[in-house]
Amino acid sequence: QKEVEQDPGPLSVPEGAIVSLNCTYSNSAFQYFMWYRQYSRKGPELLMYTYSSGNKEDGRFTAQVDKSSKYISLFIRDSQPSDSATYLCAMSFSGTYKYIFGTGTRLKVLA
Amino acid sequence: DSGVTQTPKHLITATGQRVTLRCSPRSGDLSVYWYQQSLDQGLQFLIQYYNGEERAKGNILERFSAQQFPDLHSELNLSSLELGDSALYFCASSRNGGASNEQFFGPGTRLTVL
Repeated sequence: QKEVEQDPGPLSVPEGAIVSLNCTYSNSAFQYFMWYRQYSRKGPELLMYTYSSGNKEDGRFTAQVDKSSKYISLFIRDSQPSDSATYLCAMSFSGTYKYIFGTGTRLKVLA
Repeated sequence: DSGVTQTPKHLITATGQRVTLRCSPRSGDLSVYWYQQSLDQGLQFLIQYYNGEERAKGNILERFSAQQFPDLHSELNLSSLELGDSALYFCASSRNGGASNEQFFGPGTRLTVL
């Protein structure tokens, strides 16, 4: 079993839809949770960074962490064709120096 | 633009050869990370340097090595290249290198081994 699981998609939604992207994990030690957006053949871009449980909102993006269920989500409101990309979750914990990444979910927002 | 730069953008080489990838971190960042991204493996952590010292190793092959120089730029050396080494190689940097530090990624180097 991988430490971080992420549905590869592709996930296709119409423009304006609310998108829900998810990751599950097995290591309860994870404390820091990140979401990256990666356009084709480009470097990952940090979207959201959260510590421990709870919600964090930034514009159209909301990140949720449920440590009791070992489950994190990224919601995108009013999705746009420019949101079409691969979304990667990543996690880490104190005492380690590396991020563990999910394999990414490919999102397509149709105009 | 994350502020992390990588050169070259593309590299095409033959099996058995050796290449060097270069990374300059964001201004003020002391830690550099190297990742490999291939289609079937996702983003894999290779190695981390902090202020010139190796701090953590991931799934890095013995044929690969890296270093971080006094000016904080880093180089990843890949030798005895095999077809399976074809991938995107990303460098990321962070302020202090701890788990709580956000990592910012460069644009990557696409390596093709023929």
